[in-house]
Amino acid sequence: KNQVEQSPQSLIILEGKNCTLQCNYTVSPFSNLRWYKQDTGRGPVSLTIMTFSENTKSNGRYTATLDADTKQSSLHITASQLSDSASYICVVIRSPPPGGYNKLIFGAGTRLAVHP
Amino acid sequence: DVKVTQSSRYLVKRTGEKVFLECVQDMDHENMFWYRQDPGLGLRLIYFSYDVKMKEKGDIPEGYSVSREKKERFSLILESASTNQTSMYLCASSLRRAPRDSPLHFGNGTRLTVT
Repeated sequence: KNQVEQSPQSLIILEGKNCTLQCNYTVSPFSNLRWYKQDTGRGPVSLTIMTFSENTKSNGRYTATLDADTKQSSLHITASQLSDSASYICVVIRSPPPGGYNKLIFGAGTRLAVHP
Repeated sequence: DVKVTQSSRYLVKRTGEKVFLECVQDMDHENMFWYRQDPGLGLRLIYFSYDVKMKEKGDIPEGYSVSREKKERFSLILESASTNQTSMYLCASSLRRAPRDSPLHFGNGTRLTVT
């Protein structure tokens, strides 16, 4: 069954600290993986995309990793800021069957709260 | 920047009412999607469309229908609202047919309460 599991469900950290969010998936065949950030009351916004051959990709203070062998991804946030408080959603894209469409499988998200 | 606009932020409807959720995007995207978001669950796809007047069922289409008469507008219709359709509804669009290289651009959501 194609699933995406994220951990932890929620996390509280102090401003300036680092944190790592986890995403494990069982999606096959794998196409790529995206991390989205969803601020309260807003729609999700794409942070980064990871393809099969990429191990690490950075976007400012956000660094995503992908281990396609173990089917795990992580999102590391460095020197957290209050504005990082949001839900972070891992989305795995499954390659389409012949004549079909890509399928996106969403994790339930990790809710991060950064406190001063 | 892509803008995806959902017509209502909050809606309260009664059981049995017909409900229309409207979504407009301003970047000439071919693809449009309707998702619902519930606590503890990932986003679930209701319907999607890759072209005008074209629609495809997603994972949970029961109780919903859609309309895409113009490229920029994608409407979600609840034919007879029920309490289990109380949820956050998110509209999204993307540029190309295969979203591998094209991220979804989301609206800010409509929180629907059915009483």
